[in-house]
Amino acid sequence: NFILTQPHSVSESLGKTVTISCTRSGDSIASKYVQWYRQRPGSAPTTLIYEHDERPSGVPDRFSASIDTSSNSASLTISGLETEDEADYYCHSYDNMNHGIFGGGTRLTVL
Amino acid sequence: QVQLVESGGGLVRPGGSLRLSCAASGFSFSDYYMMWIRQAPGRGLEWVSYISDGSDYTNYADSVKGRFTISRDNAKTSLYLEMHSLRVEDTAVYFCARAGRYPASALIYWGQGTPVTVSS
Repeated sequence: NFILTQPHSVSESLGKTVTISCTRSGDSIASKYVQWYRQRPGSAPTTLIYEHDERPSGVPDRFSASIDTSSNSASLTISGLETEDEADYYCHSYDNMNHGIFGGGTRLTVL
Repeated sequence: QVQLVESGGGLVRPGGSLRLSCAASGFSFSDYYMMWIRQAPGRGLEWVSYISDGSDYTNYADSVKGRFTISRDNAKTSLYLEMHSLRVEDTAVYFCARAGRYPASALIYWGQGTPVTVSS
């Protein structure tokens, strides 16, 4: 099986750019699509990125993502940080049995 | 717009049963895979189960396999999760989510969740 590893927390200043990583262990990051979700305190998750780098309608282009097969990881980049971006961010994918797997989540603090 | 509204959560004793429902609207329900995801207090997200558009395929996390059953009624645009032999570690907020048109797809829309507490 595999796991998705995220940093527990990241912080960056208002207006700056931050990147959150998600490293897949066990098999290739490219073997299944990676998604990214944001969860504000007390709220349900919302989808920021699907199928590695696609944004659902309504998600601003401040949010972008990619995968890097050399490091076997996915990354979510948020530019022009706003205070409303303070939240937990989760990466998500599937194993070869199509069982869903989430990363442990990353708490973003906007300074 | 897409709406997913969960219900049926509550307090149940260990070993008990509960049935969660998710009422869907704003999209062609019968065209999409649907999933349940849960979040224990103060913890991260955990995938629980999915069901295909026509109910032909289901899949479960190892932690719930044999105890939980996912089902759907396309005529009523509703998703269900039948939970039996509940354990304290099943305590969580349970979210339903609309996925894509294939297994291993993204969770594009989420409900607000229904809380389940398993405690004596």
